[in-house]
Amino acid sequence: QSVLTQPPSVSGAPGQRVTISCAGSSSNIGAPYPVHWYQHLPGTAPRLLIYHDNKRPSGVPDRFSGSKSGTSASLAITGLQTADEADYYCQSFDNILYVWVFGGGTRLTVL
Amino acid sequence: EVPLLESGGDLVHPGGSLRLSCVASGFNFGTSDMTWVRQAPGSGLEWVSAISGRGDYIYYADSVKGRFTISRDNSQNTLFLQMNNLRAEDTALYYCARAIPVAGTGSHYFDDWGQGTLVTVSS
Repeated sequence: QSVLTQPPSVSGAPGQRVTISCAGSSSNIGAPYPVHWYQHLPGTAPRLLIYHDNKRPSGVPDRFSGSKSGTSASLAITGLQTADEADYYCQSFDNILYVWVFGGGTRLTVL
Repeated sequence: EVPLLESGGDLVHPGGSLRLSCVASGFNFGTSDMTWVRQAPGSGLEWVSAISGRGDYIYYADSVKGRFTISRDNSQNTLFLQMNNLRAEDTALYYCARAIPVAGTGSHYFDDWGQGTLVTVSS
């Protein structure tokens, strides 16, 4: 059971917008520690998508955006493409467990 | 150019040991905090251990504390994970990653990752 809670799966049609939620608590996201997002195709290197809540590394399209409010965060993907099919993970830090924590991951399917 | 390359994964019996290595290139390894993250079959990403650039701060997940040891050789741009008393639940793909501190927060994100090395613990 992950400290950060994500929906197991989301789906959308090409061109649509989807959001992936990440629910935490007052000891991590609400502390407030920043939230980061990764895209991962199993067996390959995870890719940093969003860091410090809403910042995009160079090379990440602006179709990907992050937001945070209270003890939760969200990743939004607009203009869905088949290439976006992957697992998405949120990550933060927990000051009670004193460890870096990941969400359980969300599988995105582009219908 | 792949900035991080892991090696050392293998099939090992329960109770056995392995030493993973991660060779870095293309950035200043000696000033970079580093971390290990693993993914068990059918599961999500799990943070395992982290070490500061000079090796003076070290952290472990409870699941590996007392069995795993993280270390680094900055002269060789190499990160290590010594894994002892391995258990079936340690079976996973192990990734090394560079950990970037977020100023003023005491937290990090992981910007560069290797391709992973597979550890299988089975009799």
